[in-house]
Amino acid sequence: DAKTTQPPSMDCAEGRAANLPCNHSTISGNEYVYWYRQIHSQGPQYIIHGLKNNETNEMASLIITEDRKSSTLILPHATLRDTAVYYCIISNTGNQFYFGTGTSLTVIP
Amino acid sequence: GAVVSQHPSWVICKSGTSVKIECRSLDFQATTMFWYRQFPKQSLMLMATSNEGSKATYEQGVEKDKFLINHASLTLSTLTVTSAHPEDSSFYICSARGAAFGGENIQYFGAGTRLSVL
Repeated sequence: DAKTTQPPSMDCAEGRAANLPCNHSTISGNEYVYWYRQIHSQGPQYIIHGLKNNETNEMASLIITEDRKSSTLILPHATLRDTAVYYCIISNTGNQFYFGTGTSLTVIP
Repeated sequence: GAVVSQHPSWVICKSGTSVKIECRSLDFQATTMFWYRQFPKQSLMLMATSNEGSKATYEQGVEKDKFLINHASLTLSTLTVTSAHPEDSSFYICSARGAAFGGENIQYFGAGTRLSVL
């Protein structure tokens, strides 16, 4: 079963930062936080992952709280192409992924 | 990034026939592949985990005799839906996990196969 809670939907203005929260209060010490997104009728796309330190790559930043019970994915300058369903997944180094319902992000022109 | 190819992207078949879906990791060796199913407006549901050279592990409620999985090489896994019925119509997605990228395992997903059973 999914061990994450995400808001079902969010809107973001084009060009602004999109901050997507995820609660994972039952995360264990060796479990990573993974973020993927799925654009309609496509396979999920890997965005970023982390264990306890904040991470940044060319797509996004991942902020993990000190107690690791929640995290935030930040898309620094959202574009219309970022409209998708975003999934936060907790897993032990790539073991089985149990997807939750995700957050449907709509970027508004 | 790593590329996972899934074929076919769309298949229509008659009820009672079998359909085979291929999943290939193109630029890395996948020690483990996963198969998911997604119904409209729902999230992905894990069906099974496939390790190269061994039998697949199925999630609870997934019929192993209906959804045959073969992972004969480090770059290829197949899912065969046997005796397909309309209720098997769904979006099937595979993913591959390799140990070669930065020492941490990431799942890379195929583009999915849309199965319609008439």
